[in-house]
Amino acid sequence: NAGVTQTPKFQVLKTGQSMTLQCAQDMNHNSMYWYRQDPGMGLRLIYYSASEGTTDKGEVPNGYNVSRLNKREFSLRLESAAPSQTSVYFCASSLPRTGDQPQHFGDGTRLSIL
Amino acid sequence: KNEVEQSPQNLTAQEGEFITINCSYSVGISALHWLQQHPGGGIVSLFMLSSGKKKHGRLIATINIQEKHSSLHITASHPRDSAVYICAVFSNTGNQFYFGTGTSLTVIP
Repeated sequence: NAGVTQTPKFQVLKTGQSMTLQCAQDMNHNSMYWYRQDPGMGLRLIYYSASEGTTDKGEVPNGYNVSRLNKREFSLRLESAAPSQTSVYFCASSLPRTGDQPQHFGDGTRLSIL
Repeated sequence: KNEVEQSPQNLTAQEGEFITINCSYSVGISALHWLQQHPGGGIVSLFMLSSGKKKHGRLIATINIQEKHSSLHITASHPRDSAVYICAVFSNTGNQFYFGTGTSLTVIP
């Protein structure tokens, strides 16, 4: 069982470059999430998708775009990377977004912006 | 303002010790989750609680809804328990998760 798969695992970018982080889940979950994790802070929600074709902004959406390509895949795009976007990014999925459903996380993408 | 506070931030224990990690929250919740993040970075869900107590092997989680407090206990700790433990709550008004900053546990053989 693959669960939630994120690619790449590591990436170094220069300021102003663009890139897309990929995420796919094989658990037939409706809800998918992108979080960032920074030192001394809890996970913060960037974007959320309740189902294919729908996306909603989270706590820190500025500088990011997302695409829910189909039920399995949810990608995160940085159009013009900035050093402040250096972080570890996690994709997660769950059955409907309710408190009684556990989230399943990918292994994370360590992104450095120089 | 942090909706979820964990203590301690860092914890070092000798193998075999009983460990307690605390989580306090300030919002109304429908559920509280305990997560484990290993040094490799992956995050896994350990427990989901809305009341009372749950036990999985050597791990026990409790929650007191009235006091807005939860504890994660590890009995007979082992070096493989070394990880960051994260408390997360699902707000029943904001319909979103809030995450604590984590407790970094190191168990020394």
